[in-house]
Amino acid sequence: GQQVMQIPQYQHVQEGEDFTTYCNSSTTLSNIQWYKQRPGGHPVFLIQLVKSGEVKKQKRLTFQFGEAKKNSSLHITATQTTDVGTYFCAGLGVMDSNYQLIWGAGTKLIIKP
Amino acid sequence: SQTIHQWPATLVQPVGSPLSLECTVEGTSNPNLYWYRQAAGRGLQLLFYSVGIGQISSEVPQNLSASRPQDRQFILSSKKLLLSDSGFYLCAWSVGAGWNNEQFFGPGTRLTVL
Repeated sequence: GQQVMQIPQYQHVQEGEDFTTYCNSSTTLSNIQWYKQRPGGHPVFLIQLVKSGEVKKQKRLTFQFGEAKKNSSLHITATQTTDVGTYFCAGLGVMDSNYQLIWGAGTKLIIKP
Repeated sequence: SQTIHQWPATLVQPVGSPLSLECTVEGTSNPNLYWYRQAAGRGLQLLFYSVGIGQISSEVPQNLSASRPQDRQFILSSKKLLLSDSGFYLCAWSVGAGWNNEQFFGPGTRLTVL
């Protein structure tokens, strides 16, 4: 079945360093959503990308959707302790003629003490 | 404003026991409702979704079932829990299809089956 692969699984950074997580799909996605889940919490919606090549920014966060709509990335500049959590992508694909939101496994951002 | 409630927050159940988790949404009408399961350190697996009262779509065959007896109430049940049912259960809602709209998640229920 269609999958969305998300890498890396974990990323350890020093506070102030940058962080990037990538999502890749074997097939074209109609759109892609990004969520953040704080430790012990529930996922919270960050953004949705729809257009090929789209780039959106939220303060220190930059989201990109690839030209072929098969990959996406989230880049955080100058990480802060408040950025700690797991970041998930969820891509809208078609499976068995039905639309389905396919979730990546998440990338956990860990700030080194 | 809209809010979503889930209870209980944590639950420890023996294998073979029944399960009932409840989710209610306030402040919106005719939401799309979802049940997800998240295994420890893993992504989200969609279990069920509902576009209206009595309408349930199952994504993964398992020993769980879902019901929507009222517009803003979504219930996840099992007659006999398995060890593999342990996980973090999340209810979510969206206005219209969740694939094109933001999904709002509840606080979750952490289920441990022993």
